[in-house]
Amino acid sequence: AQSVTQPDIHITVSEGASLELRCNYSYGATPYLFWYVQSPGQGLQLLLKYFSGDTLVQGIKGFEAEFKRSQSSFNLRKPSVHWSDAAEYFCAVGILTAYSNYQLIWGAGTKLIIKP
Amino acid sequence: NAGVTQTPKFQVLKTGQSMTLQCAQDMNHEYMSWYRQDPGMGLRLIHYSVGAGITDQGEVPNGYNVSRSTTEDFPLRLLSAAPSQTSVYFCASSFLAGGETQYFGPGTRLLVL
Repeated sequence: AQSVTQPDIHITVSEGASLELRCNYSYGATPYLFWYVQSPGQGLQLLLKYFSGDTLVQGIKGFEAEFKRSQSSFNLRKPSVHWSDAAEYFCAVGILTAYSNYQLIWGAGTKLIIKP
Repeated sequence: NAGVTQTPKFQVLKTGQSMTLQCAQDMNHEYMSWYRQDPGMGLRLIHYSVGAGITDQGEVPNGYNVSRSTTEDFPLRLLSAAPSQTSVYFCASSFLAGGETQYFGPGTRLLVL
């Protein structure tokens, strides 16, 4: 069955340090890949997405992600985090179901905590 | 341009009560969906719609009904609320279903006693 795994429930990073959030998926083909961010009490906002082409994609707020087909991974990175990056981050994959309908499968999320 | 709006923001229900969560978008999106978000479980798809008059079930449809009479509106009905339906509910929309950016509403926090 298709699934998305975000192995880290919480990550704590010092302000100014680099960040990498992990995402692995299980799917037979190359899916559409997304990272969304949810600030406390808010809805979700798209950070970046990958459909095809260059496997390193740039997003908003200085984030980037790299698709690695061999590892079925789509890890999110930022070279220097800011206190405003404290939020919950969700990885999602878009797949075609058995009935040729498109659905998003979501990871459980990683909560990012920033130390001053 | 308000994007995706949801009402109410917060609701308390007693077991067995029914209610409708409202969702509207003003972006002329064809695809709309309802998710529930529970701690440690990410988002789970309840129902979705690929256009007016067309709806389908997602991963966790039991206990919920939807309809799509217009492009703009996609209400979610809880038929007989249960404590297991305590959750945060998000409505989302996009131009099309495949690979498009989803735009989310601010959510409705539901507590069923």
